[in-house]
Amino acid sequence: DVKVTQSSRYLVKRTGEKVFLECVQDMDHENMFWYRQDPGLGLRLIYFSYDVKMKEKGDIPEGYSVSREKKERFSLILESASTNQTSMYLCASSLPGLGNTIYFGEGSWLTVV
Amino acid sequence: KNEVEQSPQNLTAQEGEFITINCSYSVGISALHWLQQHPGGGIVSLFMLSSGKKKHGRLIATINIQEKHSSLHITASHPRDSAVYICAVQSRTDKLIFGTGTRLQVFP
Repeated sequence: DVKVTQSSRYLVKRTGEKVFLECVQDMDHENMFWYRQDPGLGLRLIYFSYDVKMKEKGDIPEGYSVSREKKERFSLILESASTNQTSMYLCASSLPGLGNTIYFGEGSWLTVV
Repeated sequence: KNEVEQSPQNLTAQEGEFITINCSYSVGISALHWLQQHPGGGIVSLFMLSSGKKKHGRLIATINIQEKHSSLHITASHPRDSAVYICAVQSRTDKLIFGTGTRLQVFP
């Protein structure tokens, strides 16, 4: 059974803390994505990666960075967490090419206080 | 204006009713996805369409490329169908653009 695993489901962090959100997929997918989901705004792309060590900014990259040192792992980093980064974060992966199924993780709920 | 618009935003139904959720988009696409999100966050892919119609159990998805419109139908709805249904279009550069979702509640 294919799987995208987000290691932390619920986190509470303080303003200014460095936060790591980890995502691991077991399907040997080249493409990996980080989204955040906010009420009324839907899912918005933060960063994506087409392969190891490759990263591209999405629509809302400000305040975030990413790391893809291994194919199966894509990490989202909040260098200095702020309260407006309180959100639900979703990781996804897919094979490259057009029209492939996209697999999502269970989501990570982050609260910054 | 959003590139992907869904309607309605909220939908309530009685068990057994036929349900339709609509999705219109304004960009060129390679595929359209229908996704289901239950409380707790996880998203499951229901369909991926590039043309025509697909059916899986009580779920039917259609797409009209010329009109840039897709519909998701649920026949004989059941309370366990209660979820948020999200339409997402896949651009020709593999980028996904999401609608804001339709919250469906089916009452027994």
